[in-house]
Amino acid sequence: DTGVSQDPRHKITKRGQNVTFRCDPISEHNRLYWYRQTLGQGPEFLTYFQNEAQLEKSRLLSDRFSAERPKGSFSTLEIQRTEQGDSAMYLCASSDSGTHWVTRETQYFGPGTRLLVL
Amino acid sequence: AQTVTQSQPEMSVQEAETVTLSCTYDTSENNYYLFWYKQPPSRQMILVIRQEAYKQQNATENRFSVNFQKAAKSFSLKISDSQLGDTAMYFCAFMKIGGDKLTFGTGTRLAVRP
Repeated sequence: DTGVSQDPRHKITKRGQNVTFRCDPISEHNRLYWYRQTLGQGPEFLTYFQNEAQLEKSRLLSDRFSAERPKGSFSTLEIQRTEQGDSAMYLCASSDSGTHWVTRETQYFGPGTRLLVL
Repeated sequence: AQTVTQSQPEMSVQEAETVTLSCTYDTSENNYYLFWYKQPPSRQMILVIRQEAYKQQNATENRFSVNFQKAAKSFSLKISDSQLGDTAMYFCAFMKIGGDKLTFGTGTRLAVRP
């Protein structure tokens, strides 16, 4: 059973460019979450999916951010017209809604994508 | 809205000793989960332990145990026989039952000294 994977692991971009990150959840996990973590802080929720449906979006997710999970498997997070304030670690997590009693609803995290906007 | 507070930004412990990290939270929910996650330097977030609020028994995982006080909204983590590999940032997190988002505290940086 492979864990959550994210690609790329690091991204450096210039202000104003668009970037896209990908997350592959643990297989059979129907829920997928995106968080943002700035240096020295705890992760902050951005959005989450159950299967392909996007169920909640944070106020932090401005119009420049969009996330998709087209077939209920992998997800992408796109940031348009990047700003220096977007520099952060973007974390993806997945969970299962009830198949396994012991681990259900526990979120497992990927390694993150570290974004630096110059 | 839920809030999670970790009042100890940094802690240090001698190898093989015991250390306790504090966490308090605020919620009007009755059914929820509490978690401790560990984030080693430049490495990914790892689940340490999980507690269901409806369970009175405190969760344990090998050297890690919690003291869950529901009425006081307190959820501390005890690490026994500390090891160098325990050096990490530790985050306390809250989640409503039903697949909701995690709400994290600001973290406690733990250093284990040889």
